[in-house]
Amino acid sequence: AQKITQTQPGMFVQEKEAVTLDCTYDTSDQSYGLFWYKQPSSGEMIFLIYQGSYDEQNATEGRYSLNFQKARKSANLVISASQLGDSAMYFCAMRDPSSGSARQLTFGSGTQLTVLP
Amino acid sequence: NAGVTQTPKFQVLKTGQSMTLQCAQDMNHNSMYWYRQDPGMGLRLIYYSASEGTTDKGEVPNGYNVSRLNKREFSLRLESAAPSQTSVYFCASSEGLAAAYEQYFGPGTRLTVT
Repeated sequence: AQKITQTQPGMFVQEKEAVTLDCTYDTSDQSYGLFWYKQPSSGEMIFLIYQGSYDEQNATEGRYSLNFQKARKSANLVISASQLGDSAMYFCAMRDPSSGSARQLTFGSGTQLTVLP
Repeated sequence: NAGVTQTPKFQVLKTGQSMTLQCAQDMNHNSMYWYRQDPGMGLRLIYYSASEGTTDKGEVPNGYNVSRLNKREFSLRLESAAPSQTSVYFCASSEGLAAAYEQYFGPGTRLTVT
């Protein structure tokens, strides 16, 4: 079964508008971490934001915020005031004990975001 | 601050050739990882090293070997390259294995096996 599901292969947003990228996850563990990474066309993976399963408040980092709904097992990324430089592939990822001792990051398939001028 | 560096950035191999991908981090991190990313997919873990002196298999270890040379360096070796190993390879590091630690990634190595 998919552990991380990103249902939007591609999204478009107008510059300066906000956009929400969806992510749902599947785990039976109580302790886990959720991450969002950005991968621009240049290929590097850039860490954006982290949410711990016990964190009561939604994580925020500048224009990025994570809409964490634990009961629904969703961890959507919200980008406010989109900029042209936000155009990239965005990956949702999770670390949980069931990943094995590696606590490896399990990635979703990604969402390609295009910001339109 | 260089973070995580990888060499080479690009490589073309013929089937059966061998090569080693190098990775180094300057953040004094304990844990290091090797991932591969195939087109249209997220990353999958090949091998990891929880701490200096230890290595373990990840999700897709077949056809690869690793060496944790010291705390800074973690190399990935392809002994006999196959076309199925054509991919982009990322090295990453983190403070440790706990779920809260984010992983920092290198720029990637684009490998083509013909």
